[in-house]
Amino acid sequence: DTEVTQTPKHLVMGMTNKKSLKCEQHMGHRAMYWYKQKAKKPPELMFVYSYEKLSINESVPSRFSPECPNSSLLNLHLHALQPEDSALYLCASSPFTSGGAGSETQYFGPGTRLLVL
Amino acid sequence: AQSVSQHNHHVILSEAASLELGCNYSYGGTVNLFWYVQYPGQHLQLLLKYFSGDPLVKGIKGFEAEFIKSKFSFNLRKPSVQWSDTAEYFCAVNRASGGYQKVTFGTGTKLQVIP
Repeated sequence: DTEVTQTPKHLVMGMTNKKSLKCEQHMGHRAMYWYKQKAKKPPELMFVYSYEKLSINESVPSRFSPECPNSSLLNLHLHALQPEDSALYLCASSPFTSGGAGSETQYFGPGTRLLVL
Repeated sequence: AQSVSQHNHHVILSEAASLELGCNYSYGGTVNLFWYVQYPGQHLQLLLKYFSGDPLVKGIKGFEAEFIKSKFSFNLRKPSVQWSDTAEYFCAVNRASGGYQKVTFGTGTKLQVIP
């Protein structure tokens, strides 16, 4: 199973709402990622988790709050978002190889298309 | 910081034409290079990657790419494109950091193949 699943596929929320995006993988990968992709732009890295611990936060605003409750799940909690946060949010995972060369393949989910009104 | 530039934003080809998409990166250290493809309505998939060894790498669906270190380039090629190759192609670079990846994507090239 080389699949990364994301729910929901689409989400519309107001600026005062609280919502969560979910990501799941069963490939035994211990590195998981959140990316943001605006229309006609490349994916931009937001967060990296390795062994369920936050390894990278690319200066993401605190209205985005990631969580990795176990090795298969990755959440992104959303609160008080702005309309400019509307985008496709991609989750990915990859094997974690200690001392590795960084050549491991990332597997991407289909994304959650978020619209903030 | 690492960066990736893709020179062609939109390429239109007829079926059976040859394809070359340019990719240049800026980072002086050890890097790993990738090409990802995003077919319409589908998620990002890996086409091929380079991390060491033979600078000419072959990927899925007849694609190949050549790593030229002196030119900081990793161009994607295919001798004869098909209509099904219509997609967006992203070059990406991962600075070798061990363990997890810290990937920077290029701006993407939208390829349209006309039957």
